[in-house]
Amino acid sequence: AQKVTQAQTEISVVEKEDVTLDCVYETRDTTYYLFWYKQPPSGELVFLIRRNSFDEQNEISGRYSWNFQKSTSSFNFTITASQVVDSAVYFCALSGRRYGNNRLAFGKGNQVVVIP
Amino acid sequence: DTEVTQTPKHLVMGMTNKKSLKCEQHMGHRAMYWYKQKAKKPPELMFVYSYEKLSINESVPSRFSPECPNSSLLNLHLHALQPEDSALYLCASSLIPTGVTEAFFGQGTRLTVV
Repeated sequence: AQKVTQAQTEISVVEKEDVTLDCVYETRDTTYYLFWYKQPPSGELVFLIRRNSFDEQNEISGRYSWNFQKSTSSFNFTITASQVVDSAVYFCALSGRRYGNNRLAFGKGNQVVVIP
Repeated sequence: DTEVTQTPKHLVMGMTNKKSLKCEQHMGHRAMYWYKQKAKKPPELMFVYSYEKLSINESVPSRFSPECPNSSLLNLHLHALQPEDSALYLCASSLIPTGVTEAFFGQGTRLTVV
């Protein structure tokens, strides 16, 4: 079975603080794919990043950065210098052959509230 | 153009009504999806179309009927819904029907069944 755990349900930060969202996954697949999506109040899930299991390079995109560590089965997401527009629910998700390649296993999501 | 367009954005329907949700993408994606999302929960997969054929039905009640008229369009026909079916319905598409490529989501239809 595939499982994604996002332990922190709601996180509040003051604007300009950094916030890190933890994502821990379980899978028996040797090849799998990890994703982060942002869901603002408007409802649309916005794709942020995809990471293949064989690519452990960390990535930075503007104020966003991701730390992928296979040894601890984690794919954590950091927002640096948070802004009010970062207030949203963030989902970590996993796909792999055993679960069905078309299926995404979503974590429960992290509600991020950035206080001005 | 990385857009998935859903209509309507909001829908209120009675339990005896018949309505349809529509989804459109022009990215040349060959997989399209319907998800249901209840408040404060992650999206739940309902249906997957691969190359315009239904490939996954996650044991969804027959009052939900999907249709894929062509590679750009996806419909969800609703009939005799229950109040517990009230939710955000999200359409998504991906380049190919595997987990290799990311899915792009529409803004969703907020459905209220009264």
